[in-house]
Amino acid sequence: DAGVTQSPTHLIKTRGQQVTLRCSPKSGHDTVSWYQQALGQGPQFIFQYYEEEERQRGNFPDRFSGHQFPNYSSELNVNALLLGDSALYLCASSSYGGVLETQYFGPGTRLLVL
Amino acid sequence: AQSVTQLDSHVSVSEGTPVLLRCNYSSSYSPSLFWYVQHPNKGLQLLLKYTSAATLVKGINGFEAEFKKSETSFHLTKPSAHMSDAAEYFCVVTAYTGTASKLTFGTGTRLQVTL
Repeated sequence: DAGVTQSPTHLIKTRGQQVTLRCSPKSGHDTVSWYQQALGQGPQFIFQYYEEEERQRGNFPDRFSGHQFPNYSSELNVNALLLGDSALYLCASSSYGGVLETQYFGPGTRLLVL
Repeated sequence: AQSVTQLDSHVSVSEGTPVLLRCNYSSSYSPSLFWYVQHPNKGLQLLLKYTSAATLVKGINGFEAEFKKSETSFHLTKPSAHMSDAAEYFCVVTAYTGTASKLTFGTGTRLQVTL
């Protein structure tokens, strides 16, 4: 049973560029959440997708957008990259279940913005 | 709003000695609480979770945590540390908004295990 997978593993971009990160959820999961983890900090919630809709958003600007596909996989898009967007981006999948939900994380995509 | 406070940013223990990583939580309702571990340059692995069942929760690799409502604590323990336990540990609380569930992480505790 494959766990949560993310691609690419590493990425280098320059300021102003756009980036797309991809996530495939664990088998049987229908919900995908995205987190940003800056160096030396805990992950911060970006948003969550369920039924192809953004259900909740954290304190991130509109430059961060996402999408969920009918097969439950998801993309995170970041436009007009800033140096401060350099971080590990983590995808987590779960079965939609409210407060009892358990999220399982992928290995992450490390983004470096130069 | 839900939040967690990890009381130690860094803990150092000798191999074979007990581990205690402290976490206090704040929640306006009965929370779901988790401990995740992150090894260097790796993603997050679920260690254990509390979801209002038994207050003593057993996880993987010999870790356990006890939910104490009166103290609003959810401390992580292990009787005997192993070198492979060296990693960053995050205490996490779930906030359910009615439409989505999001995790709020503590700032992390780096566990160092020495010979």
